[in-house]
Amino acid sequence: ELKVEQNPLFLSMQEGKNYTIYCNYSTTSDRLYWYRQDPGKSLESLFVLLSNGAVKQEGRLMASLDTKARLSTLHITAAVHDLSATYFCAVDYNAGNMLTFGGGTRLMVKP
Amino acid sequence: NAGVTQTPKFRVLKTGQSMTLLCAQDMNHEYMYWYRQDPGMGLRLIHYSVGEGTTAKGEVPDGYNVSRLKKQNFLLGLESAAPSQTSVYFCASTIAGLHTGELFFGEGSRLTVL
Repeated sequence: ELKVEQNPLFLSMQEGKNYTIYCNYSTTSDRLYWYRQDPGKSLESLFVLLSNGAVKQEGRLMASLDTKARLSTLHITAAVHDLSATYFCAVDYNAGNMLTFGGGTRLMVKP
Repeated sequence: NAGVTQTPKFRVLKTGQSMTLLCAQDMNHEYMYWYRQDPGMGLRLIHYSVGEGTTAKGEVPDGYNVSRLKKQNFLLGLESAAPSQTSVYFCASTIAGLHTGELFFGEGSRLTVL
């Protein structure tokens, strides 16, 4: 059974600071996804990481994937209030048919 | 372009009642999924479909049934609702599996079972 764990589960940070969210998973997979969810809303796709060593950046967010360590990171640079949301990682399972999600990291960025 | 549309968006049921959630997509996607999201947790897969007329169980299928009679629609049924099925339900679709493209989500359906 694939397990996906995120930490921290909750993160409160000041604007302008940097931080990293970690996503560990338990079985082999070459595809990892990051999503953002605002309260009461649906999930918005942020990044799709397709191979070992993949790195993608969009604005203040950068995601990376190490398939050997079964670890992905989502790095936040100089946080702003608009980044406040819950972030989920998800791992492809069963040859492209299913995603298993982590429990989410709730991020609050304070002015 | 509507994308993935879920109806209803809110519903309150009494224990033992039945209901059906409808998911419709207008992107000609082959694969469709039903997830549930509980407070403080990630999404868990209930059932999925890889094409018209096919369905398969996901991680938490008990208490739910699904049908995919038309390619654009994926129905999730609760035959006898239980309080443990209080959750937010999300439908999603993709072209032909995750390796072919992005997963598109609906807006969610909030179900409360009293």
